[in-house]
Amino acid sequence: DAGVTQSPTHLIKTRGQQVTLRCSPKSGHDTVSWYQQALGQGPQFIFQYYEEEERQRGNFPDRFSGHQFPNYSSELNVNALLLGDSALYLCASSSTPSQPQHFGDGTRLSIL
Amino acid sequence: QKEVEQNSGPLSVPEGAIASLNCTYSDRGSQSFFWYRQYSGKSPELIMFIYSNGDKEDGRFTAQLNKASQYVSLLIRDSQPSDSATYLCAVNLASGSARQLTFGSGTQLTVLP
Repeated sequence: DAGVTQSPTHLIKTRGQQVTLRCSPKSGHDTVSWYQQALGQGPQFIFQYYEEEERQRGNFPDRFSGHQFPNYSSELNVNALLLGDSALYLCASSSTPSQPQHFGDGTRLSIL
Repeated sequence: QKEVEQNSGPLSVPEGAIASLNCTYSDRGSQSFFWYRQYSGKSPELIMFIYSNGDKEDGRFTAQLNKASQYVSLLIRDSQPSDSATYLCAVNLASGSARQLTFGSGTQLTVLP
């Protein structure tokens, strides 16, 4: 039973570029949430997708956007990258929005 | 005041001892509470969740919830060196149909052989 899968594992970008991160939820899960984790901090909620709609958004600028596809997979897009966007980006899935969330291995994004 | 607070540690316990990890939260409307374990360089792994006041046991782990005191804790019995990790407390701040997890900064636990 495949868990939550994320790609790519690592990514290096420069300031001002754009990036797309991808996530496939665990089998049987239809809800996907994205988090940003800076070094030494807990994950920060970016947004949650359910039924292909953004259901809730955390305190992140509009440069962060997302999408959920009919097969429940999801993308996180970040435009106009800043040095401060360097972090581990985590995708979590759950069987419904209220059920426990399970995390993928994350994408480590470095901005030069 | 942070929404979810944890002692950052580090917390060191000898092998075989009980490790006690604590967490407080500010939103009285919080409904669900989670403990995640995160090894260095890895992603968080769900180890316990609790919804009602009282204790919930799963193997060597016990989660305790006191909503009146806005306090949740995790006890690890018979601690092993493999339990050495950062433990993240997360609280579900309900908002309509969505469920946003708010995390503490984590407590670093070291179990000494």
